[in-house]
Amino acid sequence: QVQLQESGPGLVKPSRPLSLTCTVSGGSISSSHWWNWVRQSPGKGLEWIGEIYHTGTTNYNPSFKSRVTISVDKSKNEVSLKLNSVTAADTAVYYCAKSSGFLQWYLESWGQGTRVTVSS
Amino acid sequence: DIQMTQSPSSLSASVGDRVTITCRASQGITNYLAWYQQKPGTVPKLLIFAASTLQSGVPSRFSGSGSGTDFTLTISSLQPEDVATYYCQNYLSAPRTFGHGTKVEI
Repeated sequence: QVQLQESGPGLVKPSRPLSLTCTVSGGSISSSHWWNWVRQSPGKGLEWIGEIYHTGTTNYNPSFKSRVTISVDKSKNEVSLKLNSVTAADTAVYYCAKSSGFLQWYLESWGQGTRVTVSS
Repeated sequence: DIQMTQSPSSLSASVGDRVTITCRASQGITNYLAWYQQKPGTVPKLLIFAASTLQSGVPSRFSGSGSGTDFTLTISSLQPEDVATYYCQNYLSAPRTFGHGTKVEI
């Protein structure tokens, strides 16, 4: 069974980039799944950030405009998230999640999440 | 972008009650609708996909219905372990938006 583990700094200064990694174990990142990032601000709901296929094809939430980049590293079986110019509003738990299949974009597996605080 | 509107935002019911949560999409998404359960302090868990297909291991008291723009999640007999926030998600097209959630309490 595929497991997802997010990692990254728990504290990021305002205006700096936020970089997180999702390590995939128990399966290949090159399988027929989309790899997603979802976040949840304190006390709030789920917000879909974007997704990537192992070919490098991405889809992003326009709410993040040009601030977000999702990438894959097949050699490390990792997916990365980079969010530029963060503010306090980007304080959240960030989840990595795997879609069910190539044309089935619902999220069947989730990582435990990593908490990120944006503060000086 | 497709907007997902859930109602109610919260509800309180008794053990054994039938609970219904609705989700409306701003445009038709056929049956590309998923429901997730998030218990307090835990990771979201997939309950239902394709509007009505129960994910493996999910109790049969959960059911989903609907197509197009209007969808429903039903808990036929509410149990204490069902206390959670429930989210719907459009996965027909990106951005794969979530509803704002429905908090279920006992």
